[in-house]
Amino acid sequence: ILNVEQSPQSLHVQEGDSTNFTCSFPSSNFYALHWYRWETAKSPEALFVMTLNGDEKKKGRISATLNTKEGYSYLYIKGSQPEDSATYLCAFPNKAAGNKLTFGGGTRVLVKP
Amino acid sequence: ETGVTQTPRHLVMGMTNKKSLKCEQHLGHNAMYWYKQSAKKPLELMFVYSLEERVENNSVPSRFSPECPNSSHLFLHLHTLQPEDSALYLCASSQVGGSDTQYFGPGTRLTVL
Repeated sequence: ILNVEQSPQSLHVQEGDSTNFTCSFPSSNFYALHWYRWETAKSPEALFVMTLNGDEKKKGRISATLNTKEGYSYLYIKGSQPEDSATYLCAFPNKAAGNKLTFGGGTRVLVKP
Repeated sequence: ETGVTQTPRHLVMGMTNKKSLKCEQHLGHNAMYWYKQSAKKPLELMFVYSLEERVENNSVPSRFSPECPNSSHLFLHLHTLQPEDSALYLCASSQVGGSDTQYFGPGTRLTVL
């Protein structure tokens, strides 16, 4: 069983502030790490697929970094807006199971105006 | 229609009922998935179909029965469910051999009385 953990479970952020949260995953047999954004009453939406140690990806005000040696990834939101309120999920493909995704518990972000 | 659709969006059923959840993907993918999201738990993979063949069944009780008649459609047949089966059921699809990114439907919120 793979251990994919996200911290914190929830986060309240004031509008305009920046924030970040983590995903930790097994550092051995690394293949890729996925980030998803899940707004209430909508479908989870793919944000990033990260594959290289030291990789940094960016989409608007959201960016992510990857450290495969120590087994963690950070997701950053710069200048948070109310529309950033969502649950952010990371997922780790399990090589031993045909790369099926194992999801973390998510970080629920609430941006207050 | 584009993406991944699921019907119904909400379902209330008694423990003796038989019902089915439907998922359709319009992305030309060759793999489809059923996930269960219970309160305060990570997304749990239930079933995987790759090239219309079931490749994974994560110890799911037999009261859940999947069916994949073709690469675009996936069903989850439900019978004699228990109240603890109340959850959000998400369908996803992906292209095997691609980036492993999964594209999700909006889910069916199931309540078992």
